[in-house]
Amino acid sequence: TQLLEQSPQFLSIQEGENLTVYCNSSSVFSSLQWYRQEPGEGPVLLVTVVTGGEVKKLKRLTFQFGDARKDSSLHITAAQPGDTGLYLCAGAQGGGADGLTFGKGTHLIIQP
Amino acid sequence: GAVVSQHPSRVICKSGTSVKIECRSLDFQATTMFWYRQFPKQSLMLMATSNEGSKATYEQGVEKDKFLINHASLTLSTLTVTSAHPEDSSFYICSASEHIYEQYFGPGTRLTVT
Repeated sequence: TQLLEQSPQFLSIQEGENLTVYCNSSSVFSSLQWYRQEPGEGPVLLVTVVTGGEVKKLKRLTFQFGDARKDSSLHITAAQPGDTGLYLCAGAQGGGADGLTFGKGTHLIIQP
Repeated sequence: GAVVSQHPSRVICKSGTSVKIECRSLDFQATTMFWYRQFPKQSLMLMATSNEGSKATYEQGVEKDKFLINHASLTLSTLTVTSAHPEDSSFYICSASEHIYEQYFGPGTRLTVT
């Protein structure tokens, strides 16, 4: 079983601060996805990273895939209350035909 | 694009009965769909991979005779929880893949077994 260790598990910061969420594994993944999930809803895909060392930006969110494709990070700049939610990383060993292994998630609260 | 729906969104059933949950890809065809389960305050756990026209592949520890999966078409997969018990109460979520490396999730089904 491939494990994804996600940290921190809980994070509460003030509006305007920056933060980074980490996702680490001893296994190599062919791709890694970041999702955001609201209570009672399914996860919503934020980004997919495939290439080692890849960096993708989505407005104030920056996603990075480690060179060895074993880890990833999500950095949020100038966090806003609307960023509050559960952030999940998930890795795939193969392509679209493989189920995802999820990290335990990071519960993020941005206080106004 | 890449919209996945689930029905019902919530269901309450009595212990010992069976419940069917539908997962549909609305604007694309999905050869493969996936079923996950999520308990409160926990992350998603893959239960099985549903393949159109063939038997599902179950993860270790998931009873295939209890969680029946049928993938009858490229846009529909169903999960039937047979002889449900209170410990089966959970949030069941399906996903489908349109492009390689990307999975899109349904809104989930909250199952409560009384």
